[in-house]
Amino acid sequence: ETGVTQTPRHLVMGMTNKKSLKCEQHLGHNAMYWYKQSAKKPLELMFVYNFKEQTENNSVPSRFSPECPNSSHLFLHLHTLQPEDSALYLCASSQDMGGGGYEQYFGPGTRLTVT
Amino acid sequence: RKEVEQDPGPFNVPEGATVAFNCTYSNSASQSFFWYRQDCRKEPKLLMSVYSSGNEDGRFTAQLNRASQYISLLIRDSKLSDSATYLCVVTLVNYGGSQGNLIFGKGTKLSVKP
Repeated sequence: ETGVTQTPRHLVMGMTNKKSLKCEQHLGHNAMYWYKQSAKKPLELMFVYNFKEQTENNSVPSRFSPECPNSSHLFLHLHTLQPEDSALYLCASSQDMGGGGYEQYFGPGTRLTVT
Repeated sequence: RKEVEQDPGPFNVPEGATVAFNCTYSNSASQSFFWYRQDCRKEPKLLMSVYSSGNEDGRFTAQLNRASQYISLLIRDSKLSDSATYLCVVTLVNYGGSQGNLIFGKGTKLSVKP
């Protein structure tokens, strides 16, 4: 399935590196999301963009910086990460018609390891 | 108290068994409810929405008890391909922005054996 794609699929980075995760949705949706999934924890919502505007920032440290240039693309810029930031980062999209709670379609995720 | 709580399992069952998962949520303002399925090393995918009247999709039955703030998923005649982690998901009041965002439980792992 290619509805939501993410690159890279795997990333190993040092604590002083700068890298970016990319997400693209081909579903015509207007809302996009970044989630973090760590072992033995529920999916944690990080950021929400609705019509390219950021509507949610769930107290995420500033070392994570999102960018949404248009409704089809979403980036997560990473810098000076910590080992505890190692996790699976999932992008999702949905067609949000103002009521919220609509089905979200997830990308395959980027498995990030911070060394 | 966690917003969405699930028994983490794992539930190890033989093929053909009936298995039930339970989920409780803490916020009585929750409005929409879902079960997502996540295969090992894959992304979550919507399995079914959960309606107040209960709903069925083939071998899967979902129930909601708003008074007890409790959601369930029943799988009948389980197949090997049902092996996955089942995520209970709720949203709050149906407004835009944060109120409509999905809140996930940690998931219940199911392993169906031959």
